[in-house]
Amino acid sequence: QKEVEQDPGPLSVPEGAIVSLNCTYSNSAFQYFMWYRQYSRKGPELLMYTYSSGNKEDGRFTAQVDKSSKYISLFIRDSQPSDSATYLCAMIWGGAQKLVFGQGTRLTINP
Amino acid sequence: GAVVSQHPSRVICKSGTSVKIECRSLDFQATTMFWYRQFPKQSLMLMATSNEGSKATYEQGVEKDKFLINHASLTLSTLTVTSAHPEDSSFYICSAGEQGIAGNTIYFGEGSWLTVV
Repeated sequence: QKEVEQDPGPLSVPEGAIVSLNCTYSNSAFQYFMWYRQYSRKGPELLMYTYSSGNKEDGRFTAQVDKSSKYISLFIRDSQPSDSATYLCAMIWGGAQKLVFGQGTRLTINP
Repeated sequence: GAVVSQHPSRVICKSGTSVKIECRSLDFQATTMFWYRQFPKQSLMLMATSNEGSKATYEQGVEKDKFLINHASLTLSTLTVTSAHPEDSSFYICSAGEQGIAGNTIYFGEGSWLTVV
């Protein structure tokens, strides 16, 4: 079993839809949770960073963490074609810098 | 915000030659940086951990003599692919962590495309 599981997709939705991306993890030692967006042929870009259970909102993006269920989500509201990318969840132990990644979900927003 | 810069973004080299990729943290000091390799449509694969002032730590299956890592300062790590072969052609990405109140925030460079011909 992988430490972090993420549905690789691909996921295709119409413009304006609400997108839900999810990851589950097995190691309860993870304390910090990140979502990265990666456009084709580019390095990952940090979207959201959370370190506790609950929701964190930034514009159209909401990150949700449920440590009791070992489950994290990223919601994208009013999705735009420019949101088309691969989304990677990543997590880390406290004090460490070595990220553990999910497989990444390829998302396409259709105009 | 914090930025990690990689150079070059693209490089083509002949088989048998060596090529160096630089990773710089622009706004913060990083005692540790990470080097990843990414194949098309796959997630990032950690190659090694670069430690300032000491030897890099390589992941299992990564040849340390093939992928030389030097972390000479708190803002610069370099990856040298030695005696490159076409199978080394890939996307190489570095990352560095900025220590904050809420732990480390990890930023990635833009990546470097290596093509060995």
